[in-house]
Amino acid sequence: GAGVSQSPSNKVTEKGKDVELRCDPISGHTALYWYRQSLGQGLEFLIYFQGNSAPDKSGLPSDRFSAERTGGSVSTLTIQRTQQEDSAVYLCASSGAYEQYFGPGTRLTVT
Amino acid sequence: EDQVTQSPEALRLQEGESSSLNCSYTVSGLRGLFWYRQDPGKGPEFLFTLYSAGEEKEKERLKATLTKKESFLHITAPKPEDSATYLCAVQAISSGSARQLTFGSGTQLTVLP
Repeated sequence: GAGVSQSPSNKVTEKGKDVELRCDPISGHTALYWYRQSLGQGLEFLIYFQGNSAPDKSGLPSDRFSAERTGGSVSTLTIQRTQQEDSAVYLCASSGAYEQYFGPGTRLTVT
Repeated sequence: EDQVTQSPEALRLQEGESSSLNCSYTVSGLRGLFWYRQDPGKGPEFLFTLYSAGEEKEKERLKATLTKKESFLHITAPKPEDSATYLCAVQAISSGSARQLTFGSGTQLTVLP
């Protein structure tokens, strides 16, 4: 079946601009996660959605980051006023039970 | 604070030369330990979940084991296509319903033909 999909695969933006990253989870998976993978940093948890419950935003690094999940399916991660330190690969994962299945990621470059 | 340390950072093997990757963890209560494989430019690919000390799981040339402090990923007679970064992650009971993963920084494996 179809896996987790993310778009765009690459995004280059100027410092100070806003960006939106999209994630389409595996059909039927109720849990959705966003992670960030920076060079030399490893994967870092950002935010978690479970069904229609309020999201767990404990991993968001600043108030410039926000995310929403519409209809319990597609999710959008928004970064406002991007900074160079936001450059990273943003990974989305979905889960039906314990295992998390990852998408291919969006590589964000802030110039 | 939950911590995951992987060693070595990088490993080069000749085809057929078996070895092991190590994942040491510190967590208040372990819900599960996960192994992933990541190829360049791609997202992590799920390999195994281990839940309790003494548990072992196998898939082709890979075997994962778990103790109370660490996990090993044994690679038997590796092939060049096994070259990738192998990531270890823990899911702590303290993460509550969120169940987010805490990752190690990975071991970059290169298998030479």
